[in-house]
Amino acid sequence: DAMVIQNPRYQVTQFGKPVTLSCSQTLNHNVMYWYQQKSSQAPKLLFHYYDKDFNNEADTPDNFQSRRPNTSFCFLDIRSPGLGDAAMYLCATSRGGNLAGVSETQYFGPGTRLLVL
Amino acid sequence: AQTVTQSQPEMSVQEAETVTLSCTYDTSESDYYLFWYKQPPSRQMILVIRQEAYKQQNATENRFSVNFQKAAKSFSLKISDSQLGDAAMYFCAYRFSSGSARQLTFGSGTQLTVLP
Repeated sequence: DAMVIQNPRYQVTQFGKPVTLSCSQTLNHNVMYWYQQKSSQAPKLLFHYYDKDFNNEADTPDNFQSRRPNTSFCFLDIRSPGLGDAAMYLCATSRGGNLAGVSETQYFGPGTRLLVL
Repeated sequence: AQTVTQSQPEMSVQEAETVTLSCTYDTSESDYYLFWYKQPPSRQMILVIRQEAYKQQNATENRFSVNFQKAAKSFSLKISDSQLGDAAMYFCAYRFSSGSARQLTFGSGTQLTVLP
């Protein structure tokens, strides 16, 4: 089945130690998203790639960066994790298009729960 | 800016009964998409149903249906014959119909409990 895969499902890191979360997809979607979701809150978009074009949300901290080496993979790098970065990180994909009527429905992976010690 | 409001933080329903989750949104646009996502304890967001604003007909997916009232900017989700597996956090979401603006605006969620 086509899907969005996130590894690892749980990640423990130390305060200030760089960490990378990964996402891969077999849907062949050209748009990939990273969301941060804290407990009992809605997901918050950090950034997305439309093909190779990177789009950062205005309020995403500089501590968060992303790489997309090819269509299938996208990485979230947290350069110096703080205690406030402990959260669930969700990757999503969609088929993007600049035509009216393209809903660009987003499909989510299972998430990576990050714990910062 | 678009906003999505879910006024029911928690709801409960008896197994096999019907429940309706409410969602209202605010937008000045005429063309957009609305979604309901389900997030069970496993935390994976699962698409439940999608509605295109230009369609007058309400979307239906098996036991899930919506009541889309464009003029009232209301988009409620009805779950019929509720099952234990329906227990989850439900998020309503909005997306403007434009190739350049792809972010979803989520509501705050409704936690649904299904009672056996």
